[in-house]
Amino acid sequence: SQTIHQWPATLVQPVGSPLSLECTVEGTSNPNLYWYRQAAGRGLQLLFYSVGIGQISSEVPQNLSASRPQDRQFILSSKKLLLSDSGFYLCAWSKTGFNYGYTFGSGTRLTVV
Amino acid sequence: GQNIDQPTEMTATEGAIVQINCTYQTSGFNGLFWYQQHAGEAPTFLSYNVLDGLEEKGRFSSFLSRSKGYSYLLLKELQMKDSASYLCAVREWSGNTPLVFGKGTRLSVIA
Repeated sequence: SQTIHQWPATLVQPVGSPLSLECTVEGTSNPNLYWYRQAAGRGLQLLFYSVGIGQISSEVPQNLSASRPQDRQFILSSKKLLLSDSGFYLCAWSKTGFNYGYTFGSGTRLTVV
Repeated sequence: GQNIDQPTEMTATEGAIVQINCTYQTSGFNGLFWYQQHAGEAPTFLSYNVLDGLEEKGRFSSFLSRSKGYSYLLLKELQMKDSASYLCAVREWSGNTPLVFGKGTRLSVIA
């Protein structure tokens, strides 16, 4: 069966520090991968998605970036965090080419102080 | 543009039935999804509609009318554990395109 791992679960970082969140999927190949952010009391905002290695689509211009160095690995990064980057970050995967919904990772609660 | 609307909050009584509505205006339509999200947790998949009509899964049912851009999630025999946010999401194009989410409806089940 397929599983998705996301870490860390919680993170407190100072303003201006770097960020790296990692997400890996097991039990499938060539998944579609997504990063969403959920701010307090707000909906899910799509940040990045990838349909293949090295293919990244950015939805929101900001100080975040994403990379997909391996088929089942998706990394969200920042060189310098802002206060506004605080939120609940969710990685998700879906099957390629089929109209399936997502399976989400357990999420990372990021607080920038 | 994309617009998905849901009520912000709802309250219902344990054992009752509640209907959560979702209206959408999107450039294309290739399926509507409902997710449940408990506080502090990730969303989990509840249901999927791509054709008009009702899909039933135990205590949960979801309805879709594509001509009206409208869906609802029906929860029967409410339990306290159903207190959560319910997210409506639309896929506009092919299976590779991301889902667009509404802001969610926070449901509180009271005794």
